[in-house]
Amino acid sequence: DAGITQSPRYKITETGRQVTLMCHQTWSHSYMFWYRQDLGHGLRLIYYSAAADITDKGEVPDGYVVSRSKTENFPLTLESATRSQTSVYFCASSQEPDKGQPQHFGDGTRLSIL
Amino acid sequence: AQSVAQPEDQVNVAEGNPLTVKCTYSVSGNPYLFWYVQYPNRGLQFLLKYITGDNLVKGSYGFEAEFNKSQTSFHLKKPSALVSDSALYFCAVRDSGNNRLAFGKGNQVVVIP
Repeated sequence: DAGITQSPRYKITETGRQVTLMCHQTWSHSYMFWYRQDLGHGLRLIYYSAAADITDKGEVPDGYVVSRSKTENFPLTLESATRSQTSVYFCASSQEPDKGQPQHFGDGTRLSIL
Repeated sequence: AQSVAQPEDQVNVAEGNPLTVKCTYSVSGNPYLFWYVQYPNRGLQFLLKYITGDNLVKGSYGFEAEFNKSQTSFHLKKPSALVSDSALYFCAVRDSGNNRLAFGKGNQVVVIP
């Protein structure tokens, strides 16, 4: 049961560079989510997707781009990284959130921008 | 918009004593409420949820939570804490009108041997 995997687990890059964080789930869940976790802020939603080719902004979408061409993949791209985007990023998936199904999380990507 | 408050940054408890982690919420419709636990360098793990029905919900690892509509609270409880329960705990709420979760800032639980 592979579940939901994120890659890379750790990434160091420089300001202005483009970086893509990958998320892959094996459950065929319709919904997928990207969060960032920062001390004092808990988890904040960046983007989410209800199905392939359907994405929507969350609470903090500026500076991020997402795509979802396949149900199982939901990559998150920082087009021009800034130091304020240094954070731990979590991907999650859920089958039927409208029926109370919980979200299942990957183990995160720790991103440092120098 | 939905929101969650977890008023205490850290909860310290002696091993074997009862553990309570507090959560209050705000939603415009009927709430869906969740508790998650996070261990170091890991993602969040689902513990339990309240959707409807009995106000006392039982979940994984001996945890339970009580839904109180009049106080808009959903406190997490465990009768006898273990050292292995030391972790970061998050409360989350979903408004019945959308599919997004709002998370609290988290509570660090430290169980002292």
